[in-house]
Amino acid sequence: DIQMTQSPSTLSASVGDRVTITCRASQSVSSWLAWYQQKPGRAPKLLIYRASSLESGVPSRFSGSGSGTEFTLTISCLQPDDFATYYCQQYISYSRTFGQGTKVEIK
Amino acid sequence: QVTLKESGPVLVKPTETLTLTCTVSGFSLSNAGMGVSWIRQPPGKALEWLAHIFSNAEKSYSTSLKSRLTIFKDTSKSQVVLTMTNMDPVDTATYYCARRKDGYNCPDYWGQGTLVTVSS
Repeated sequence: DIQMTQSPSTLSASVGDRVTITCRASQSVSSWLAWYQQKPGRAPKLLIYRASSLESGVPSRFSGSGSGTEFTLTISCLQPDDFATYYCQQYISYSRTFGQGTKVEIK
Repeated sequence: QVTLKESGPVLVKPTETLTLTCTVSGFSLSNAGMGVSWIRQPPGKALEWLAHIFSNAEKSYSTSLKSRLTIFKDTSKSQVVLTMTNMDPVDTATYYCARRKDGYNCPDYWGQGTLVTVSS
């Protein structure tokens, strides 16, 4: 299976900060990568697909970049609603895998 | 309006077989490009993808759990079913079903999830 590794595991930030989360794949996934946001007790929400395409309805402060094995999710100006856990997922292979998650906490 | 809803037992005993049902609305399981995945999340832990079924009934499974999983669909009932054999306490988790985003193999709409506890 393709292993997905996110860093950092936890990130402390303040409202208004620019935040970047990294996701690395153990082998190339081309651009077949998605990012999700999950809040406690809720199902994940799709933010980004195909590495950099913004899902409909998602604020433009979220952006994704990268290809191959290294990807980033950036939140340009952190809002109170953005404190959550973020996951990447590769979907190039039939056995799709998620990263271990990055929790964005209030500093 | 697209919705997915998981149903099944809240509690199962070790060694038993778990059967979960995902009932969908707002789209058809037979439409080209449609598909449904099952994903689980142990309490306080990360998401784990389990299985997927496409509109043409093609299936894919997690490599590590493949021997224990079966996914199938009943298009007439708008349902996707997942079975997992030989349940163990480590399988305690919230189980989600989610719809494949059209044209992409990642989920866009998710169910609310159902918590399954494995305990004797």
